Amino acid sequence: GAGVSQTPSNKVTEKGKYVELRCDPISGHTALYWYRQSLGQGPEFLIYFQGTGAADDSGLPNDRFFAVRPEGSVSTLKIQRTERGDSAMYLCASSRTSGTGELFFGEGSRLTVL
Amino acid sequence: GQSLEQPSEVTAVEGAIVQINCTYQTSGFYGLSWYQQHDGGAPTFLSYNALDGLEETGRFSSFLSRSDSYGYLLLQELQMKDSASYFCAVNPGGNMLTFGGGTRLMVKP
Repeated sequence: GAGVSQTPSNKVTEKGKYVELRCDPISGHTALYWYRQSLGQGPEFLIYFQGTGAADDSGLPNDRFFAVRPEGSVSTLKIQRTERGDSAMYLCASSRTSGTGELFFGEGSRLTVL
Repeated sequence: GQSLEQPSEVTAVEGAIVQINCTYQTSGFYGLSWYQQHDGGAPTFLSYNALDGLEETGRFSSFLSRSDSYGYLLLQELQMKDSASYFCAVNPGGNMLTFGGGTRLMVKP
């Protein structure tokens, strides 16, 4: 695709529910990243994929968060038993290779947990 | 741990020059990136410095001093459309980026 695509753009859910956020990276980009951004703050790293495998998941806050990238392209971020504190903008980014400092971000999925 | 410090807010007038500083303390360092983010938009890449010195791209320049753990973004000939948040980000190794808290730039006429 022309850019990184994220769906849904907005998700409102109730506390305790399960949520999936999808990211479709730029075609040919092998590296994929998930970040979380709260209002007025910088993006906070969650997880990084190189191909199908999670190369670094050190940013996942707890075991309610999980992400997959089964075919090395589309990725899904899964959040179980959502809490109000999970409310944020979830950003996905991709890059051709890793280590260039240049990430291409999607428009994000805004999650609101009531 | 990793920490990046940058001013929270900067105000300047149209046509002026503004410098946004970033100091970092990270466990490793491979390079410093700068991103621009308009309200409601996605962060967009501006520049990347892996080596000491100044990199110029049009009206924007970025500088790095590895020995001082310091860098800055220089914006010249400011335009109203430059009003946005600017983030420095470090690659500490491992290929992910750690972002600073952002500097909100307000350009006034």
